[in-house]
Amino acid sequence: SYVLTQPPSVSVAPGKTARITCGGNNIGSKSVHWYQQKPGQAPVVVIYSDSERPSGIPERFSGSNSGETATLTISRVEAGDEADYYCQLWDSSNDDWVFGGGTKLSVL
Amino acid sequence: EVQLAEAGGGLIQPGGSLRLSCAASGFTVSGSYMSWVRQAPGKGLEWVSIIYSGGLTYYADSVKDRFTISRDNSKNTLYLQMNSLTVEDTAFYYCVRVSPSIYGGPGEFGHWGQGTLVTVSS
Repeated sequence: SYVLTQPPSVSVAPGKTARITCGGNNIGSKSVHWYQQKPGQAPVVVIYSDSERPSGIPERFSGSNSGETATLTISRVEAGDEADYYCQLWDSSNDDWVFGGGTKLSVL
Repeated sequence: EVQLAEAGGGLIQPGGSLRLSCAASGFTVSGSYMSWVRQAPGKGLEWVSIIYSGGLTYYADSVKDRFTISRDNSKNTLYLQMNSLTVEDTAFYYCVRVSPSIYGGPGEFGHWGQGTLVTVSS
């Protein structure tokens, strides 16, 4: 089955840029979605279809996807961005929805 | 406004069965892609099952032949029948409305309920 690989943790200082990667075999040919989950809350989609931003999500959140890596970029990081982030895609070869293992973003 | 409210979680012994429900409002379940996602305490997200608007269903290998996703259009409610439960099924179970993809078919998991906790333990 398809595997998505995320770093367990990323740390960034307030005001700086955080980049969270999601690796997968030829992931650039697939459509990747990103979710933010804060403690005790349900996940919220922050980026869909590689780089689209839902209404209500700050412009500081952006996404890209090419080759073997999809990336979620958070610019001008704020304390409120501290959360777990998950990438996700649909593996059409197995009719499977796949999540990455998640990345804990810590704001120093 | 889209709202999803799960119910039916609780403590169940290994080998037992449980049915989760998800009452939807603000849209029609029958016209949407609907899914269940679970999260073991302190762990990551795991997709469980999806039902298409046309009735097609898919399951994760970990639950195939044990879980059944269904819906009641008259009640605008989604269900997950869970049989032969094991301790590995212990998790929060989220009901999700899946948005249509800009490329056709199901897209991102756009709306989530708050989840219901299923604990499988003797």
